[in-house]
Amino acid sequence: EDKVVQSPLSLVVHEGDTVTLNCSYEVTNFRSLLWYKQEKKAPTFLFMLTSSGIEKKSGRLSSILDKKELSSILNITATQTGDSAIYLCAVGQGAQKLVFGQGTRLTINP
Amino acid sequence: NAGVMQNPRHLVRRRGQEARLRCSPMKGHSHVYWYRQLPEEGLKFMVYLQKENIIDESGMPKERFSAEFPKEGPSILRIQQVVRGDSAAYFCASSPQGEWGQPQHFGDGTRLSIL
Repeated sequence: EDKVVQSPLSLVVHEGDTVTLNCSYEVTNFRSLLWYKQEKKAPTFLFMLTSSGIEKKSGRLSSILDKKELSSILNITATQTGDSAIYLCAVGQGAQKLVFGQGTRLTINP
Repeated sequence: NAGVMQNPRHLVRRRGQEARLRCSPMKGHSHVYWYRQLPEEGLKFMVYLQKENIIDESGMPKERFSAEFPKEGPSILRIQQVVRGDSAAYFCASSPQGEWGQPQHFGDGTRLSIL
């Protein structure tokens, strides 16, 4: 059965800390790996990774894919309270289907 | 706002009634996807549609659920004879093309509550 596993499930840190969120997958017909940030409403797109070893960056966020290890990490440096959210990892499979992990709930305390 | 639009935001139904959830994709997007998020669980794929075609409905329950994306108008997810277990957040996403060059963008979801 296809699965995407995220760890940790929950993380509480202080503002300014750096965090690393993990995502591992066992999915047939892998096409891409995506990260989303979900606050109270729509998951908002962060990164889409298709090639192994190439880091993608956007401000304080970065992510990289390791196809050999079937995993990805999402790093957030100098965290702010506005980074508090659920971070979702999803693997694109076959004809456009996304398989989601259960999410990591990140809480940034001031 | 040119994002994915879903309505209603909240929908309350009694057991046995019908629920209709609507989704208008982003401008220029012709591919629509529906996902369901049960409490404390991740999003689960339900169905992928293009205009007038269902491409992949492997995640749809076999009974009571149907989806359409007509030539004109929004995509509709229809749940007949709702039961308590249908209570969930239903998210719609859209993309401009069917290949993996573009990510899916999500709407705010419809929260369905069954009394």
